[in-house]
Amino acid sequence: QLQLQESGPGLVKPSETLSLNCSVSGDSISSGNYYWGWIRQPPGKGLEWIGSIYYSGSTYYNPSLKSRVTISVDTSKTQFSLKLSSVTATDTAVYYCARQNLRGVGGYYFDYWGQGTLVTVS
Amino acid sequence: DIQMTQSPSSVSASVGDRVTITCRASQGISTWLAWYQQKPGKAPKVLISAVFTLQSGVPPRFSGSGSGTDFTLTISSLQPEDFATYYCQQTKSFPPTFGQGTKVEIK
Repeated sequence: QLQLQESGPGLVKPSETLSLNCSVSGDSISSGNYYWGWIRQPPGKGLEWIGSIYYSGSTYYNPSLKSRVTISVDTSKTQFSLKLSSVTATDTAVYYCARQNLRGVGGYYFDYWGQGTLVTVS
Repeated sequence: DIQMTQSPSSVSASVGDRVTITCRASQGISTWLAWYQQKPGKAPKVLISAVFTLQSGVPPRFSGSGSGTDFTLTISSLQPEDFATYYCQQTKSFPPTFGQGTKVEIK
């Protein structure tokens, strides 16, 4: 059974860098069968895709966040990571990591999600 | 970017009711659409991909339809566990984008 688990500080100061890890168990990031993504949800609001990475290191970022986002993958540790720089209060959200389907059948949907972690910028 | 617009933003319904949620894309996305269910404090769960393909374990009271720009999610007979917020997502291209959500509340 695939499981994803986010980890990282729950509180980040304004102007600093938010850093989160997502540990993957039950599947191999290196299989090449999926992307691995980050999605966030501000309190009481909707879902916003942040970015995704392929095992090879190819990345796709939300244009609205691209200048501040870095996603990396460590296949040996079966985890991938998110860094968001120069954070402000508007970056306060629950951050989810998720497995993302390749476009082939069904398209780029997210089939497995972590439980999410609340990051507060204050 | 492809914008996704859901309606209504909320709906009040009773157990046993038929509920329909609409999602409109700002440009044609063929059948590249997924639906998610999110309960408070939980991660979203994918219900449907490719407009109408139910994910494993999803009850058949959920169904999807549409193509191009207009899509619907229908719950044929609302059950107590279905009270949640539902999101559509276009799965055609990057950046993947979500609708703003529809909250299904108890009447």
